[in-house]
Amino acid sequence: AQSVTQPDIHITVSEGASLELRCNYSYGATPYLFWYVQSPGQGLQLLLKYFSGDTLVQGIKGFEAEFKRSQSSFNLRKPSVHWSDAAEYFCAVVTTSGNTGKLIFGQGTTLQVKP
Amino acid sequence: NAGVTQTPKFQVLKTGQSMTLQCAQDMNHNSMYWYRQDPGMGLRLIYYSASEGTTDKGEVPNGYNVSRLNKREFSLRLESAAPSQTSVYFCASSPQATGHDTQYFGPGTRLTVL
Repeated sequence: AQSVTQPDIHITVSEGASLELRCNYSYGATPYLFWYVQSPGQGLQLLLKYFSGDTLVQGIKGFEAEFKRSQSSFNLRKPSVHWSDAAEYFCAVVTTSGNTGKLIFGQGTTLQVKP
Repeated sequence: NAGVTQTPKFQVLKTGQSMTLQCAQDMNHNSMYWYRQDPGMGLRLIYYSASEGTTDKGEVPNGYNVSRLNKREFSLRLESAAPSQTSVYFCASSPQATGHDTQYFGPGTRLTVL
C-alpha cells in the first residue's frame, strides 16, 4: 500500500538558516506528490506539487522540493527561513482507485524558528 | 472569496451525544472531503464525495456518516460520540477527485468528547 514517511517529527532552525524537511514515499508507479503547510490554528495550504517533468519543483513562499526516484524521496527546502515559516508541514502522495485519487498524508513535521 | 467554511469552530460533547459538522465551499468544486487530524498521525480521510450525489468511505469511516446536501455542502455526522473521536476535523474541496487537483482546506473544527 502507498505510504508516506516524514522521519523528523520536530525541527528547530535559526532564522536565516537553510531548511530541509524530509519525505519518503512508498508507491509502485510514478507518484503524484504534494507538500502542504499548516499554520497554527489554520487549515492546510498547498506549497507545491509534483506530477511529472522537471524533478525540481518551485512553490510559494520561496519553497522548493526535489523528486528523487532512486531514493523515493521528495524533500522540501528553503534557502533562508523566516520566523513566519514556523508551522507544521505535511507531505502527501496520491493513491488512485479507478478514476478517483485520494491523498495519503505523512505524520507531519513541526518547524520551530529561533530568532 | 470565502473558500471552504466550517461550523462550528469548537465543540465539546459528552459520550453518546450526536452532532453534525457543517462544511460549505463556494468554488464550484465537484469533490469534497472530510479528514481528521490527530497528533503524530497526520490527516486521515474519513469520507469523500467525488461528485454531487455520491459518497464513499475513506480510511477511517467507522462511527461517522456523511451527507452531500448539494454541490456546495458536505456534512459529517457523529451519531453517538466517543472519546476516540476527539480530534480536529477538516473539510476540503477540489475541482475533481482525480487526485491531481489541489485540495483546498477549511479552518477546522476542534471537537472534544468527554
